[in-house]
Amino acid sequence: GAVVSQHPSWVICKSGTSVKIECRSLDFQATTMFWYRQFPKQSLMLMATSNEGSKATYEQGVEKDKFLINHASLTLSTLTVTSAHPEDSSFYICSAGTSGRYEQYFGPGTRLTVT
Amino acid sequence: AQSVTQPDIHITVSEGASLELRCNYSYGATPYLFWYVQSPGQGLQLLLKYFSGDTLVQGIKGFEAEFKRSQSSFNLRKPSVHWSDAAEYFCAVGTYKYIFGTGTRLKVLA
Repeated sequence: GAVVSQHPSWVICKSGTSVKIECRSLDFQATTMFWYRQFPKQSLMLMATSNEGSKATYEQGVEKDKFLINHASLTLSTLTVTSAHPEDSSFYICSAGTSGRYEQYFGPGTRLTVT
Repeated sequence: AQSVTQPDIHITVSEGASLELRCNYSYGATPYLFWYVQSPGQGLQLLLKYFSGDTLVQGIKGFEAEFKRSQSSFNLRKPSVHWSDAAEYFCAVGTYKYIFGTGTRLKVLA
């Protein structure tokens, strides 16, 4: 149980375009979803937290207009990287949690390469 | 400030040797504690977690961790390392949001 999927697993896009990453909870309702970014050989940095039906809360230093997060249902959250640039290339990981429980369930990650 | 410290960036052990990965944290209250493993290009796999109760926690793949409140530590151990254990290990703490340590990269010598 508690499976989280991400799509796509990897994506290459050209500089200036936008790319959307999906995060789905497959067998539970995710009241909260978290988006992390991981640079090569570095740790995970929390970008934002989203609760179903509410606006996402971004961590300090994360551009909310660049990283658009939508959590429209209890099983789906999306991260859209707008006007992507090479410095946005990274490994993006989502996690999901349920109300009343403090454990997060992680997706397999999406590798974004911006050329 | 809340933080997680994994003092060892790299650790190399021989196959069959014992392993201990260190994790220290600074947090306002006793948080929930986690250890994850990440293979190259892959997502995170939960090894074990501590919420409350017995301070010695058993996890998957033969790993265990001990919570020491007085030392604000949650060290991960394994009595005999296998070559397949080579990976990146992350300690994480939190009650809602997680704070991750910087990771320890484990290399296993045959």
